[in-house]
Amino acid sequence: EVQLVESGGGLVQPGRSLRLSCAASGFTFDAYGMHWVRQAPGKGLEWVSGITSDSDYLDYADSVKGRFTISRDNAKNSLYLQMNSLRPEDTAFYYCAKGKTGTDAFDIWGQGTLVTVSS
Amino acid sequence: DIVMTQSPDSLAVSLGERATINCKSSQSLLYTSNNKNYLAWYQQKSGHPPKLLIYWASTRESGVPDRFRGSGSGTDFTLTINSLQAEDVAVYYCQQYYSTPDTFGQGTRVEIK
Repeated sequence: EVQLVESGGGLVQPGRSLRLSCAASGFTFDAYGMHWVRQAPGKGLEWVSGITSDSDYLDYADSVKGRFTISRDNAKNSLYLQMNSLRPEDTAFYYCAKGKTGTDAFDIWGQGTLVTVSS
Repeated sequence: DIVMTQSPDSLAVSLGERATINCKSSQSLLYTSNNKNYLAWYQQKSGHPPKLLIYWASTRESGVPDRFRGSGSGTDFTLTINSLQAEDVAVYYCQQYYSTPDTFGQGTRVEIK
């Protein structure tokens, strides 16, 4: 079964850091670009960051550039998001998503992990 | 950034009737070298992650019922749900992947009348 499982969310104070993980299974992880997409509670979807299959190219939304770092470990079938200098507006469900071959549509999504930034 | 605007924000449709959702982009999503529109549609049911329905504006993802139809080109796109079923109650999002950053519409909530 193709699956993405996020972990690492929680309550964190403004200015602190958090690292999200996404464990992939059921597909050849190192063949696909991967992404993080977030959704504030009750709000719409916002693409956060993406990484190519070989980590050759990384990209970020302006809202997180310089604070968040995406990475992957293909040997461990895992995707990561290091989030530093967190702000209340970063509060959201964070989904990892698999890029569909030849497109930048997202064909597999995890269940999400909630990050709450509050004092 | 490309701005994606959906209309309406919500709609209520009777079971078995048609639901039509529009999505407009601030610039063309048609890549002329391959004649493809870089647009996708997602369905998100309450408490669940989004699910890919349509990509390349009109190609249904595997397993998606054929009552879901994507159409349009350039800057104007439509998702049509023919013969609405109870399980289609959800929020629907369009997404452009023509240029980075990928951007989504604000979502359209579909309910049963």
